[in-house]
Amino acid sequence: KQEVTQIPAALSVPEGENLVLNCSFTDSAIYNLQWFRQDPGKGLTSLLLIQSSQREQTSGRLNASLDKSSGRSTLYIAASQPGDSATYLCAVLTGTASKLTFGTGTRLQVTL
Amino acid sequence: EAGVTQFPSHSVIEKGQTVTLRCDPISGHDNLYWYRRVMGKEIKFLLHFVKESKQDESGMPNNRFLAERTGGTYSTLKVQPAELEDSGVYFCASSLTRTALTNPYGYTFGSGTRLTVV
Repeated sequence: KQEVTQIPAALSVPEGENLVLNCSFTDSAIYNLQWFRQDPGKGLTSLLLIQSSQREQTSGRLNASLDKSSGRSTLYIAASQPGDSATYLCAVLTGTASKLTFGTGTRLQVTL
Repeated sequence: EAGVTQFPSHSVIEKGQTVTLRCDPISGHDNLYWYRRVMGKEIKFLLHFVKESKQDESGMPNNRFLAERTGGTYSTLKVQPAELEDSGVYFCASSLTRTALTNPYGYTFGSGTRLTVV
């Protein structure tokens, strides 16, 4: 059974700092890994999707890496801004099922 | 292109009542999924439709939950009768294809329906 863990559960950083969010999964036989952002009271916004054959994906100030063999992914946010404050979730697609397994998320607060 | 639309955005009902949640996927997306997040827990899969057929309903908690997708377009999730533990946020998502290897865009999620059972 796939389990996804995200560390830390919460993080507070001053504006401008670079930061790393971590995601680990127990079953390395994944099809892809997706990072989402959730703002309070809002839905999930897809940030980056990494296929199992890829090592990383970049979008603007965001860079996600994937090490499938070790069951880890990181989301790197450069030059953080207050607008980055949100909960960040990673989710993996495993096996033949089409369902995503989510982590519990990292709640990020970027302060002025 | 319109995204995944869910309504209502919030619903407060009394224990024992019935509630119906609706999801309109992105046009052309045959695959529709329901997920739910109970307070303090991770988001968990409920079920998956391919067009109007239930492909996987292994995550449905019990027979008080009934999902339908008439005509392969919008979907409804009915909870009858609602219990306190059903409170949470119910998300709907859609995707273009089922096989992840041929779907580079992943899933698009709706804003969710926050259900509170009192």
